[in-house]
This record gives sequence, structure tokens and C-alpha cells, in this order.
Amino acid sequence: GDSVTQMEGPVTLSEEAFLTINCTYTATGYPSLFWYVQYPGEGLQLLLKATKADDKGSNKGFEATYRKETTSFHLEKGSVQVSDSAVYFCALSPYNAGNMLTFGGGTRLMVKP
Amino acid sequence: GAGVSQTPSNKVTEKGKYVELRCDPISGHTALYWYRQSLGQGPEFLIYFQGTGAADDSGLPNDRFFAVRPEGSVSTLKIQRTERGDSAVYLCASSEGATGSPLHFGNGTRLTVT
Repeated sequence: GDSVTQMEGPVTLSEEAFLTINCTYTATGYPSLFWYVQYPGEGLQLLLKATKADDKGSNKGFEATYRKETTSFHLEKGSVQVSDSAVYFCALSPYNAGNMLTFGGGTRLMVKP
Repeated sequence: GAGVSQTPSNKVTEKGKYVELRCDPISGHTALYWYRQSLGQGPEFLIYFQGTGAADDSGLPNDRFFAVRPEGSVSTLKIQRTERGDSAVYLCASSEGATGSPLHFGNGTRLTVT
């Protein structure tokens, strides 16, 4: 079946550092790929998505590129802020399966001033 | 506007008891999803409604779990004969349609079975 693997946390960075959170997936066909974020005390919210190979999703300074050849969707940000501290989840949905998502285990990011 | 609302926010019950968890989606959202998140893991899909009908219930773990959405708005997840392994955060999410619309999640109901 489909699966998503992401790097374990916590990831601890200083403010303005470069962030990469790795995500790889296993799926048949052409899934859509997502990053969701959960800030402390809040519900999950969509950060960005990509629906086909080589697409780049971006939002709030975060980017991720859909790489079919490496089955990856790594999350990056050039300069993190304390307010980016949260848990980040990589997820996929099979082609034409709407929002029936398979999530990775989540990566906690802690940004220190 | 109001987001997805889930009640109660916390529920503690004894093993073997019956529980109901409620989800109020965003008004006008036709698609509604239930997920379960165990400690330290990502959410797992349980069931998806399009309107009043369950479009896909392949994620329900066994027949102790059941969900309804009788009027196409509020949904209730029902768990019979609860077991300690059912302890988790149950998340509800809604979207405008089936495909392509972003999911809006509630804050979840934390269920603890003692």
C-alpha cells in the first residue's frame, strides 16, 4: 500500500537557519503530495501541495518540489523564524482520490531565537 | 467564519463503554473526513462522506466503529465496546468538494479509554 516516510524529529534550529525536512513516498501511479503544519494548540492546516511531477508548491517562504524520479517531496525554507515552530506532516493522496490522505509520522521543528 | 468544530474536546471512558464524537463542518462543505491520530504518529484515514453517504469507509478498523451524517452536515463517529487501543485523537476535516479543495481540520477529540 501507499506510505510516506519523513525524517524523525525534533529538528532544532536557530532563527534564520536553513531548513530541510526530508519526505519520501511509495505509491502507485501519480499521487498528489502535500505538506500540512500543526502549530501549538491549533488544528492541522495545509501548507503547500503539488499535483504532478516537477511541480513546486510554495507558501509562507516554504517550498517543496515533486520529484518522481526520487519519489521525494522535501520541505525547505531559506530562513526560519521562531513562529515556524510546529509539527510538519508530509502526505499523499492517490490520483483522483481527493482528500483521502496517507500521512507521514510528522517532524517537530523547534526554532530558537 | 467558523471553522470545523469538534465536541467534546476530551473524552475519558471506561473499557467496554460506547462513545459518540461529534463534528460540525464548515457551512457549505459537502465533503467530510474522519481521521485518527495515535500518539507520535501521523493521522490515519477512517471514513469519508460526500453529502449524506459514506463514499469510502475502508479505513474503519473494525465493525465497532461506525459514522453517520444524516443531513449532510453534522457527523457523528460512534465507537462500541471501546478498547484501550482506541485511545487517540480523532480528527474531523471538511472541504468544499471531493477533489482539489483544501482540507480544513478541527482541533480533534482526545479519547482516552481506561
